[in-house]
Amino acid sequence: GAGVSQTPSNKVTEKGKYVELRCDPISGHTALYWYRQSLGQGPEFLIYFQGTGAADDSGLPNDRFFAVRPEGSVSTLKIQRTERGDSAVYLCASSLTGGLAGEKGQYFGPGTRLTVL
Amino acid sequence: AQSVSQHNHHVILSEAASLELGCNYSYGGTVNLFWYVQYPGQHLQLLLKYFSGDPLVKGIKGFEAEFIKSKFSFNLRKPSVQWSDTAEYFCAVNAPSGGSYIPTFGRGTSLIVHP
Repeated sequence: GAGVSQTPSNKVTEKGKYVELRCDPISGHTALYWYRQSLGQGPEFLIYFQGTGAADDSGLPNDRFFAVRPEGSVSTLKIQRTERGDSAVYLCASSLTGGLAGEKGQYFGPGTRLTVL
Repeated sequence: AQSVSQHNHHVILSEAASLELGCNYSYGGTVNLFWYVQYPGQHLQLLLKYFSGDPLVKGIKGFEAEFIKSKFSFNLRKPSVQWSDTAEYFCAVNAPSGGSYIPTFGRGTSLIVHP
């Protein structure tokens, strides 16, 4: 169980509902990233945590999106009032230290496929 | 804002053919460069990375990439592809953005290798 895990693997919800997506990074990795990937596109950066704090949340599309990492390990991405346009695969990745000097590449989870009806 | 361009969206090759996938980025300063691969039904995984030093880097499964700073490029190559190389390939650049370093990914290249 050394990899990044994400739950649920699939989530179907109705427009307007609230969803939470969970990410368990590799133990000891201080950097954690959330991405969104639409069909035919590369991962699109959402937010980056260094430890417990959000070091960069410039990729969050609007205030319906929020993420936390209260203890510096597990992270939850929260989406309020979901819209059909939120449908995508949400990827989580972790790395040992993050940042330019320490970045050695990220380890990705399998993703959560979110479908908003 | 940082951008990463992958010129080939779909590539179809026969086994033993040579491969080169293009990647260009826009940031002019110090960057870290990566290629990731996603095999059918699997996670994204790191193929190779460039930090500094020798601009020709070697990764897993016989892949290599060359960093050409003057061309802002980091093209991926393999001299002889195999059917098992069928996958989606993503170039990524780690560069400063709003005070931190975050990765920007290209849109990916789908490679199909016919046996």
